[in-house]
Amino acid sequence: EADIYQTPRYLVIGTGKKITLECSQTMGHDKMYWYQQDPGMELHLIHYSYGVNSTEKGDLSSESTVSRIRTEHFPLTLESARPSHTSQYLCASSESGPSSYEQYFGPGTRLTVT
Amino acid sequence: KNQVEQSPQSLIILEGKNCTLQCNYTVSPFSNLRWYKQDTGRGPVSLTIMTFSENTKSNGRYTATLDADTKQSSLHITASQLSDSASYICVVSDRGSTLGRLYFGRGTQLTVWP
Repeated sequence: EADIYQTPRYLVIGTGKKITLECSQTMGHDKMYWYQQDPGMELHLIHYSYGVNSTEKGDLSSESTVSRIRTEHFPLTLESARPSHTSQYLCASSESGPSSYEQYFGPGTRLTVT
Repeated sequence: KNQVEQSPQSLIILEGKNCTLQCNYTVSPFSNLRWYKQDTGRGPVSLTIMTFSENTKSNGRYTATLDADTKQSSLHITASQLSDSASYICVVSDRGSTLGRLYFGRGTQLTVWP
């Protein structure tokens, strides 16, 4: 099983609150990713990072922001949560190198904004 | 437009039976194709990865095939078990960028009944 962790696993929060979803990996991977997944739908890439101090936006526009100060941590922040942010957020990591390298996923955070 | 289509959307089979899931893709330039298993409320876990030159790859009771000419793949599950109940996601990677962007299908929801 992959050593990639996400906290919290479930979060219910009111509109307008600031939240941070944590993601950490102990595999020393340079590349990290955040995906958003709605029920029955495909995963969409919202942020990725090639390494420390590197962050890029993904395919799906998101109001969230990310930071990569340490190799093992890749937190995602929503400054002001809205009901439209309700979704599952999945973090992943992979080694640098060919695109054939495996992406390892965390268990996900189920976010509900009321 | 790069897309990954899976069929059927959902499938119910009896324990011990075999089944085959289908995946068609239009991703270009092609790098590799992966099948993931995603249990409810969990992150995806990789089953197989196949590159352009590979036609088939097995992982226990899971056998994936790839026809790069027709851009089709299948995942065959033999002697199904209750624990096989999950969403099976086809994922195609392109080689047009150093990120190795992943394109996700919506998954086939498999339910195995006793």
